[in-house]
Amino acid sequence: AVQLVESGGGLVQPKESLKISCAASGFTFSNAAMYWVRQAPGKGLEWVARIRTKPNNYATYYADSVKGRFTISRDDSKSMVYLQMDNLKTEDTAMYYCTAELGGDYWGQGVMVTVSS
Amino acid sequence: DVVLTQTPVSLLISLGGQASISCRSSQSLVHSNGNTYLHWYLQKPGQSPQLLIYQVSNRFSGIPDRFSGSGSGTDFTLKISRVEPEDLGVYYCLQRTHNPWTFGGGTKLELK
Repeated sequence: AVQLVESGGGLVQPKESLKISCAASGFTFSNAAMYWVRQAPGKGLEWVARIRTKPNNYATYYADSVKGRFTISRDDSKSMVYLQMDNLKTEDTAMYYCTAELGGDYWGQGVMVTVSS
Repeated sequence: DVVLTQTPVSLLISLGGQASISCRSSQSLVHSNGNTYLHWYLQKPGQSPQLLIYQVSNRFSGIPDRFSGSGSGTDFTLKISRVEPEDLGVYYCLQRTHNPWTFGGGTKLELK
C-alpha cells in the first residue's frame, strides 16, 4: 500500500530555517511527481510546492507566498522528498502534508510546523 | 493566480439527501493539451484530505458513485446523492491547470 510519512516538524522562531521530510513507500517513487500542501490551524488548504520527475528535469513550482524562501527537493534513491523552509514567518505555521501524484493523489498524515517567538 | 470560489461556504443536509457544491474559476481551466485539471477533495474531521474526483468527472479508486462531478471551462459542480454520515467534512476544489495550483476556500457539509 502507498504510504507517505512526514517528519521533522516542530517549533522554530521567526527568520529561522527548518527542513521537513517525507518518506515514501509502496510505489515506484521515481515515477511520481510530489507536492506539499499546508493548512494553517482552522483554515483551508494551501498548495505550497511541487517537484516533477527526472524525465521532466525535476522541474519545481512554488506558491507565491513561499517563492524564494522554500525549496522542494527529492532523492529518488531514498524515496524521499524534502521541503527546506528558510526565513520562516509566523504565517507559515501550519500542518504540512506530503502528496504523491500517481494517477490519483495519495496524502500523508502531515507534520506540524509552528513559527513563534 | 487563478482564484477558485466555492459556494456555499457551509451546507446543512439531511441524511439521505442531496448536496451540490459549486466551484467557479477566475479563468478557464482547460489546459493547452485539452484536459481540464479540476479536482475535488474531502477532508473529514481530524484526517488528511482525500481525492474524490479528478479531471472534473472521474471518480478516484474506491469512491462510491454517489459522488459525481461535472462542469467545464470556469464552472464546476460536485454532487453528493444519498448523503451518509461518512460524507461529512470539508470539500475543496483544486485546479492544477495553471501554475501555481490553487484551492477553493472549502465547503463544510454538516447534518441538519
